[in-house]
Amino acid sequence: SQQGEEDPQALSIQEGENATMNCSYKTSINNLQWYRQNSGRGLVHLILIRSNEREKHSGRLRVTLDTSKKSSSLLITASRAADTASYFCAYPTGANNLFFGTGTRLTVIP
Amino acid sequence: SQTIHQWPATLVQPVGSPLSLECTVEGTSNPNLYWYRQAAGRGLQLLFYSVGIGQISSEVPQNLSASRPQDRQFILSSKKLLLSDSGFYLCAWKKFVGWTEAFFGQGTRLTVV
Repeated sequence: SQQGEEDPQALSIQEGENATMNCSYKTSINNLQWYRQNSGRGLVHLILIRSNEREKHSGRLRVTLDTSKKSSSLLITASRAADTASYFCAYPTGANNLFFGTGTRLTVIP
Repeated sequence: SQTIHQWPATLVQPVGSPLSLECTVEGTSNPNLYWYRQAAGRGLQLLFYSVGIGQISSEVPQNLSASRPQDRQFILSSKKLLLSDSGFYLCAWKKFVGWTEAFFGQGTRLTVV
């Protein structure tokens, strides 16, 4: 299966702590993306990391990519209650498809 | 700026009834368009994508069909809904060339009763 696997499936932390989510994939990719989904809403793109990049930052987000291990991680630093959401990794498969992982449900407790 | 509209937000339909979900994109031309379905607490399953008017690719054989009558309009349909068609349906678009980010609509919660 090409499907990305994310772990943990669910994560609960206190406000102010850091949250780390991991994504593994099985195919060769040219980029990997992370998305956020608030409950019952559409997905919002957070960050894209290309296959020739190892680390990327955007505000409180830090993404790493290890193509040798076919894995990526998303770190949210100094979490806030508003960060509560599901987070998905996604990557292109073929010219026109974007394949999504199973997601990590993050709960940040105020 | 580009926007994507998807409606309705929620829908309750009886088994055997038809379905039509519509998605339109503004502010861009010749986008790739996508329909995904998300089961409760799960990831996204790609149902259909389209790279141009009248061009539809199906990823999963099922009770649904898609059409793209205009460049920025994408429709998901069914002639007869099944209970298993219940779920959260998401429309998305991306630029035709290259793999940058995808932009999603707000989704339609479909419950088949």
